[in-house]
Amino acid sequence: DFQMTQSPSSVSASVGDRVTITCRASQSINSWLAWYQQKPGKAPKLLIYAASSLQSGVPSRFSGSGSGTDFTLTISSLQPEDVATYYCQQANDFPLSFGGGTKVEIK
Amino acid sequence: QVQLQESGPGLVKPSETLSLTCTVSGDSISSTNYYWGWIRQPPGKGLEWIGSIYYSGSTHYNPSLKSRVTMSVDTSKNQFSLKLSSVTAADTAVYFCARIGYCNAGHCYGINAFDIWGQGTVVTVSS
Repeated sequence: DFQMTQSPSSVSASVGDRVTITCRASQSINSWLAWYQQKPGKAPKLLIYAASSLQSGVPSRFSGSGSGTDFTLTISSLQPEDVATYYCQQANDFPLSFGGGTKVEIK
Repeated sequence: QVQLQESGPGLVKPSETLSLTCTVSGDSISSTNYYWGWIRQPPGKGLEWIGSIYYSGSTHYNPSLKSRVTMSVDTSKNQFSLKLSSVTAADTAVYFCARIGYCNAGHCYGINAFDIWGQGTVVTVSS
């Protein structure tokens, strides 16, 4: 099975800052990694799939990179509406699994 | 556009079976491009994949829940369902249904991620 580890668990940054979240898989998942944004009381929203492909309608300040076991989600210029919890998810094989989440707040 | 909607009891007694249905609109559950999945989120915690089902009835379950989970598809109603038996307070959560593409033998179908989600339904296990 694939264990997904996210870091940090929380991050506080100023508006306009660059924010980076890391996700590590316990074994190679090739490029089959997705990133989701979840706001309180809402369903998760797909941001990035296949490690670096931007889902339609998602602002270009969001980007993903990585392959194998190490992946990164970057918000190039943090906006107030980006306050949320972000999750990674491996889609390489069943059983599917999510990372523990990273809470992003405004300083 | 494609929409998913969860339905079912919001309160289940301990030791009983939780039953939820997800109704799909704007897409056919018989599409060969997607699996249909259930994900849950206990209060204040992260996301946990429960399982996924293909229109043919082929299923994949989370090993930690496999002994208690049954998923099924009703193509005539464009719905898929979840049953979780012998529930305890630890099964209290928001339950989401979602759509996910997949890859097989070098070919990919749909988006290999949960691209469409239902709004979620709260299920509380309590006597």
